[in-house]
Amino acid sequence: AQSVTQLDSHVSVSEGTPVLLRCNYSSSYSPSLFWYVQHPNKGLQLLLKYTSAATLVKGINGFEAEFKKSETSFHLTKPSAHMSDAAEYFCVVGGADGLTFGKGTHLIIQP
Amino acid sequence: SAVISQKPSRDICQRGTSLTIQCQVDSQVTMMFWYRQQPGQSLTLIATANQGSEATYESGFVIDKFPISRPNLTFSTLTVSNMSPEDSSIYLCSVNRGGGYTFGSGTRLTVV
Repeated sequence: AQSVTQLDSHVSVSEGTPVLLRCNYSSSYSPSLFWYVQHPNKGLQLLLKYTSAATLVKGINGFEAEFKKSETSFHLTKPSAHMSDAAEYFCVVGGADGLTFGKGTHLIIQP
Repeated sequence: SAVISQKPSRDICQRGTSLTIQCQVDSQVTMMFWYRQQPGQSLTLIATANQGSEATYESGFVIDKFPISRPNLTFSTLTVSNMSPEDSSIYLCSVNRGGGYTFGSGTRLTVV
């Protein structure tokens, strides 16, 4: 069985400041982990994925995430937020049976 | 990664009717996944569709309500049957290819 918990339903940051979206997971085997972004009225877009290679994963649009097995975490970060980053972000754990989604974190960017 | 064409993109349906959603993939894939995203919620897996066998449904979802077809390795349909307003959601299909999952653009269903 697998599960994922996104610790914040909403995160608000000012433009130009760092972004941190937190995610913890549980899995009975070595997981694949993903972050997806969903802009309003758009489909899901893959930001980055971890599949047991390097623990620091770089994605698109300046995002990156670090896999920490000891903490069962896969937090998403970005050094400097942009207005276009405002969206819903989903942390996802993947296995042979498909994906399990977190409940999402709504990222708000203040001008 | 794969490219998925999903349609319709949206529909407004009368309660008691059925809607069939189609997903066409640009390459052959073994498994296709169907998800539901209820308003303000995350995605929930409805079922996994393998070509040549019956779909596997998650807890809370049944074949009579959400029949799925998978006639070949590039195509699948999900039908939402005997709809009620509670079925108003976004429905998405997904495939896993190249280590990442690709999603269709979604079908926004409103039941009135």
